[in-house]
Amino acid sequence: GESVGLHLPTLSVQEGDNSIINCAYSNSASDYFIWYKQESGKGPQFIIDIRSNMDKRQGQRVTVLLNKTVKHLSLQIAATQPGDSAVYFCAENTVLSTNDYKLSFGAGTTVTVRA
Amino acid sequence: DAGVTQSPTHLIKTRGQQVTLRCSPKSGHDTVSWYQQALGQGPQFIFQYYEEEERQRGNFPDRFSGHQFPNYSSELNVNALLLGDSALYLCASSLVGENTEAFFGQGTRLTVV
Repeated sequence: GESVGLHLPTLSVQEGDNSIINCAYSNSASDYFIWYKQESGKGPQFIIDIRSNMDKRQGQRVTVLLNKTVKHLSLQIAATQPGDSAVYFCAENTVLSTNDYKLSFGAGTTVTVRA
Repeated sequence: DAGVTQSPTHLIKTRGQQVTLRCSPKSGHDTVSWYQQALGQGPQFIFQYYEEEERQRGNFPDRFSGHQFPNYSSELNVNALLLGDSALYLCASSLVGENTEAFFGQGTRLTVV
């Protein structure tokens, strides 16, 4: 779930600027986290993931930070482009039982890139 | 390498009817999960299938049922449709026992009128 005051449902960013999207997760036992991007009319698309034994992971133009102490994730997008406009979801992979997992999604942040 | 495919892409049904949605997982994947995404919200877990059995279930009524076939493809059935069942239904595939990312299909947009 999302923590009030931490999650912004919308984010407007100037093209070329950096974007930061925040997310709080609920289960302290979760050990794997994923950021998904969802464009209108499409299914969620994997962006980047991070495991609980790390606090930072970098991809192409994206960085995910994990703070397990406060159960907080953030996604940083460098040099935001018009194609980055979408809804972004953080998801925690909850262990249900041995070999069984489910993804729990936050409410999502709608990112709009201004030209 | 085909990704996750779902059919149909759009569907309109009348309240009280029944609907079947279909999903083919990504090549090499053996686990299929179904999610319901209402407008403006994040996907909500319905259930997960592996080895043709329902492994885990979210907080959804028995009107929601599913099936997995030997080729790992899956169906989601919803009986006695309610207006509130209108949503995007997403299928995700993954590998059992692997705590790795799930790959999503494009979804089926169900409208109940």
